[in-house]
Amino acid sequence: EVQLVESGGDLAQPGGSLRLSCSASGFTFSKYAVHWVRQAPGKGLEYVSGVSSDGTGTYYTDSLKGRFTVSRDNSKNTLYLQMSSLRPEDTAVYYCVKERINGWYDFDSWGQGTLVTVSS
Amino acid sequence: EIVMTQSPATLSVSPGERATLSCRASQSVRGHLAWYQQKPGQAPRLLIYDASTRASGIPARFSGSGSGTEFTLTISSLQSEDFAVYYCQHYDNRPPWTFGQGTKVDMK
Repeated sequence: EVQLVESGGDLAQPGGSLRLSCSASGFTFSKYAVHWVRQAPGKGLEYVSGVSSDGTGTYYTDSLKGRFTVSRDNSKNTLYLQMSSLRPEDTAVYYCVKERINGWYDFDSWGQGTLVTVSS
Repeated sequence: EIVMTQSPATLSVSPGERATLSCRASQSVRGHLAWYQQKPGQAPRLLIYDASTRASGIPARFSGSGSGTEFTLTISSLQSEDFAVYYCQHYDNRPPWTFGQGTKVDMK
């Protein structure tokens, strides 16, 4: 069974930093691109970032470029999202998601999410 | 960035009735379109991929159609467990991709 377990969500000050992690199991992590999707309270889904299966390709929604950095450690089956210069509008549940098949496809598995709150 | 627009924002339907949800892309995404269902307090669930293929375990009352810029999700006979928010998402070319703003299906 595929499992994606996010961690690292917390209360952060505006301008601060956080690192989210996503621990994956139940599939060959190194063979799939993985992504982050977020959802602000009461709002819709927003694509955040993605990384190719080998980690060489990273992608970000335009509004987040330069503040967030995605990475992965295939030896640890873990996806990361380094978030810096945090703003109140970054407050959201952050989901880790896996593609159904590798190669830029839809998302067939989602974690339960980790809550990031940015507030003074 | 491709903009995905869903309509209506809210759809009020009685159990057993048909529900039709629309999703429009600001430019062609070919057939690279997925639909997700999200219930309160839960992560989204994949319903449809490649515009019209049901994901594993999804009941046959869910169907998707369309290509290019116009897509439709149809629930043929709404069950109580289908009241939820539905999102479309394109995955054309490489990321970043975008989601629609969602359609909430509630009980009439």
